[in-house]
Amino acid sequence: NAGVMQNPRHLVRRRGQEARLRCSPMKGHSHVYWYRQLPEEGLKFMVYLQKENIIDESGMPKERFSAEFPKEGPSILRIQQVVRGDSAAYFCASRGGVTEAFFGQGTRLTVV
Amino acid sequence: GIQVEQSPPDLILQEGANSTLRCNFSDSVNNLQWFHQNPWGQLINLFYIPSGTKQNGRLSATTVATERYSLLYISSSQTTDSGVYFCAVRPSGGYNKLIFGAGTRLAVHP
Repeated sequence: NAGVMQNPRHLVRRRGQEARLRCSPMKGHSHVYWYRQLPEEGLKFMVYLQKENIIDESGMPKERFSAEFPKEGPSILRIQQVVRGDSAAYFCASRGGVTEAFFGQGTRLTVV
Repeated sequence: GIQVEQSPPDLILQEGANSTLRCNFSDSVNNLQWFHQNPWGQLINLFYIPSGTKQNGRLSATTVATERYSLLYISSSQTTDSGVYFCAVRPSGGYNKLIFGAGTRLAVHP
């Protein structure tokens, strides 16, 4: 059973471009979380999704950030018009039902 | 919202030493997990332990849900144990996000 797959592992974008981060949950998992980690800091919750539904987006910035988890395909975290402050590691986690969550290896976004 | 506090924030050990990391949380939870983030940034599941005691090799964990704390024990530490240890909880009352503590940064020296 493959783990949580995130791609790309590293992403470099110029200021003003769009960043798309992908997360394929573990097989059978229908719950997906996105977290952001700045250097030397902890993981900050961004958004929690179930298939086709956003359950909790209380940690998402109000502008430029969006997330989806379609019926088919991976979950996508989209950042429009990136700024230097968006540079961070973005982690995705998945779980099935009332069980433990597993994390992907993260996407390191660098905005230049 | 729920508060998750980890202590100590930093810990330096000699190889072979034992240590105890603590996680306090301010409200009832139905999920508690311990993770190790290695120096390459990978988050590794250590324990899923909403209550009780579990052991895995040199590591063990205990959660006392009624008193709102969990402990992670590392025995005979090795340099490969270095990294950051995170506690994360999911509050009770429906499906909720995992809330992370700030972590304990561990450095094990040979």
